Amino acid sequence: KQEVTQIPAALSVPEGENLVLNCSFTDSAIYNLQWFRQDPGKGLTSLLLIQSSQREQTSGRLNASLDKSSGRSTLYIAASQPGDSATYLCAVRRGGNAGNMLTFGGGTRLMVKP
Amino acid sequence: GAGVSQTPSNKVTEKGKYVELRCDPISGHTALYWYRQSLGQGPEFLIYFQGTGAADDSGLPNDRFFAVRPEGSVSTLKIQRTERGDSAVYLCASSFEWTSGRSGELFFGEGSRLTVL
Repeated sequence: KQEVTQIPAALSVPEGENLVLNCSFTDSAIYNLQWFRQDPGKGLTSLLLIQSSQREQTSGRLNASLDKSSGRSTLYIAASQPGDSATYLCAVRRGGNAGNMLTFGGGTRLMVKP
Repeated sequence: GAGVSQTPSNKVTEKGKYVELRCDPISGHTALYWYRQSLGQGPEFLIYFQGTGAADDSGLPNDRFFAVRPEGSVSTLKIQRTERGDSAVYLCASSFEWTSGRSGELFFGEGSRLTVL
């Protein structure tokens, strides 16, 4: 059974810092990995999707990397801003014909202080 | 529509009552998913539809939970004899089917917050 772990569970940083959120998964046979942002009381907003054949994806100040063999992904946020405060979730999709479900980590709650 | 739409946004009910939650996916998305999220945790998979059929219902916790998608678009999650432990946010997502060669990126709705008193 795939298990996804996110470290740290919570993070508080001053504005302007570069930061790294970590995601690890136990089964490397994945189809893709997706990072989401969730604001309090809201749904999930997709940030980046990395296919299993890719090493990284970038969008603005966000960069996500994937090391499938070691079961790890990182989300790098450059020059953090108070508006980045939210919960960040990673999720992996099983590969092949094993199904289409995403398995989520527990999330990292980020607070960026002005 | 432009995004995944879920109704109601909030539902408060009494223990033992029947509840229906509705999801309207992004137009053209053949895959539809239901997830449940408890406070402070990541979403947990419930059921996945490809078209009208439930391709994977392994996440449904028991037979009080049932979901349908009769015309391959809108889906309804049905919960019978609700219990206090059913209180959570129920999230719906849709995507193109991954076998179509697309990325399979999931897009989520805002969720339906269910409170069972």
